Amino acid sequence: DVKVTQSSRYLVKRTGEKVFLECVQDMDHENMFWYRQDPGLGLRLIYFSYDVKMKEKGDIPEGYSVSREKKERFSLILESASTNQTSMYLCASKTGGLSEAFFGQGTRLTVV
Amino acid sequence: AQSVAQPEDQVNVAEGNPLTVKCTYSVSGNPYLFWYVQYPNRGLQFLLKYITGDNLVKGSYGFEAEFNKSQTSFHLKKPSALVSDSALYFCAVRGDRGSTLGRLYFGRGTQLTVWP
Repeated sequence: DVKVTQSSRYLVKRTGEKVFLECVQDMDHENMFWYRQDPGLGLRLIYFSYDVKMKEKGDIPEGYSVSREKKERFSLILESASTNQTSMYLCASKTGGLSEAFFGQGTRLTVV
Repeated sequence: AQSVAQPEDQVNVAEGNPLTVKCTYSVSGNPYLFWYVQYPNRGLQFLLKYITGDNLVKGSYGFEAEFNKSQTSFHLKKPSALVSDSALYFCAVRGDRGSTLGRLYFGRGTQLTVWP
């Protein structure tokens, strides 16, 4: 079974802190994604990566950056956390083409 | 541009009754459609997908979905609902051009509640 693992289930951070969310997949997938999920808004794509060191902005990249130094790991960085970044963050990975995406269990981030 | 719409925020159904969760889509090319389920405080789990072929697609946990090209719909169905089916359901469509080809576009989700 494909496994996508996010480093934390719950995080509480202070406004202005630099926050790192880590995601690791074990199936050699080329594509990895970071979404945030908010009630009534569904899933919104922050960034995605289709190869090592490659990244593309999604729909809401402002206030975030990403890093993909190794194929299996995709990190989301909040440069200076703000309260409006309090949300559920979901990582996903997939192969190319018409395959389905596999999701991690999510990180619920609270910024106080 | 590609998109999906889930017109119902909530669906309530009695256990044992059939359920339908609606999804309509908009793409410029061929539609590649997906359904996912999310249980509380968990990530999304893949249920099924439509790529080509039969309009009725069977998936996990007894779910199926009916693709209708003329109505641009991809409704999720189950003949007999279980209380354990209560969850948040997402419809998604694959991007249809250029740099969007690798990503999925999700609807806002439909909360399904099955009452005993």
